[in-house]
Amino acid sequence: ETGVTQTPRHLVMGMTNKKSLKCEQHLGHNAMYWYKQSAKKPLELMFVYNFKEQTENNSVPSRFSPECPNSSHLFLHLHTLQPEDSALYLCASSLSRAEGNEKLFFGSGTQLSVL
Amino acid sequence: KQEVTQIPAALSVPEGENLVLNCSFTDSAIYNLQWFRQDPGKGLTSLLLIQSSQREQTSGRLNASLDKSSGRSTLYIAASQPGDSATYLCAVLSGTYKYIFGTGTRLKVLA
Repeated sequence: ETGVTQTPRHLVMGMTNKKSLKCEQHLGHNAMYWYKQSAKKPLELMFVYNFKEQTENNSVPSRFSPECPNSSHLFLHLHTLQPEDSALYLCASSLSRAEGNEKLFFGSGTQLSVL
Repeated sequence: KQEVTQIPAALSVPEGENLVLNCSFTDSAIYNLQWFRQDPGKGLTSLLLIQSSQREQTSGRLNASLDKSSGRSTLYIAASQPGDSATYLCAVLSGTYKYIFGTGTRLKVLA
């Protein structure tokens, strides 16, 4: 148990659906991240929030929309996805994003399949 | 642009063997390097973090070293066990506090 909880664990959706991924951390951290992990590719950073403010959008298509209502919760809203968006979506947190010497703590991920 | 490479991509060893996993990076200006373990379909668990000023870190049977000037890190696993079977990833923190990950080494320890 890493202290970072993601729901749902698995999600199957059609290209016209709208769904949301949820991440919650119980570690008192101030920075939260969304990563995408596709087969045979390195983890790709999607979004970063530091103290609830978005500090990074790594050229992610607008069909992915993040939301961070407070330092403990992070959402990824999905709409009009493509089959190539099928991947494991991982949430992570760290104490902050300023020190450069902090560990990343990951959730178990949401395995997304887009049909 | 920072790039991280891990070799080999996959490795099978008999139980009890000592082994070394390799990670190389192209830009030596890093803040830290982390080694992670990932079980199939699961998230990543941080194993060791080495700050840029450090040469190595140890935790139990794991020892990670860092040679910043040559852009290399190794993860040494002593007396491997079947429970060590997983994918091991390294990531470097550089640039604008962004972690860059390698593609991992898939380890299988045979009983």
